[in-house]
Amino acid sequence: SYELTQSPSVSVALGQTAKITCGGKNIEIKSVHWYQQKPGQAPVLVIYRDGSRPSGIPERFSGSNSGNTATLTISRAQAGDEADYYCQVWDSSTGVFGTGTKVTVL
Amino acid sequence: QVQLQQSGPGLVKPSETLSLTCTVSGGSIDTYYWNWIRQPPGKGLEWIGYIYSSGSTSYNSSLRSRITISLDTSENQFSLTLTSVTAADAAVYYCARSRTSRNDGFDIWDQGTMVTVSS
Repeated sequence: SYELTQSPSVSVALGQTAKITCGGKNIEIKSVHWYQQKPGQAPVLVIYRDGSRPSGIPERFSGSNSGNTATLTISRAQAGDEADYYCQVWDSSTGVFGTGTKVTVL
Repeated sequence: QVQLQQSGPGLVKPSETLSLTCTVSGGSIDTYYWNWIRQPPGKGLEWIGYIYSSGSTSYNSSLRSRITISLDTSENQFSLTLTSVTAADAAVYYCARSRTSRNDGFDIWDQGTMVTVSS
């Protein structure tokens, strides 16, 4: 089965840039989606199809996908960006989530 | 604006069957994929399965023998049944929508229901 690997944690200084990676075999041929989950809340889609933003998601969130790694970039990080982030793909009509990354804003 | 509202018991006894229903309001169930996702306490997200508006389904292989996802188009609802539950099935269960099963993420989620497995 397809697997997605994320670093458990990432720290970023307030106002700086955070990069969250999602590793998977030939992930570049798949569409990658990213979710933000704050404590006690349902996940929210922040990036879909590698780099598209749903309505209402700030431009500070961007995504890319190349080779074996997809990346979610949070620019000008704010305290409100502190959350868990999950990547997700579809593999043969099966949903697959990454292991999740906890982002801490210092 | 489409919203999802989940209903079902928050407590299930070991070896019994978990049943949850998700009601779609503010839009049609047609041409979308309706998914179930769960998250054990303190852990990550696990996709359980989906049902398409035509009735076709896809399930997580690790749960396939125990799950059924069904659709009631007249009520704009879809449901999850999980048999023979154990403590490992305790989790927050979410229902969520996706436009496709290849190129789209889960754009609408409900608030989630915590399911406890205990006698």
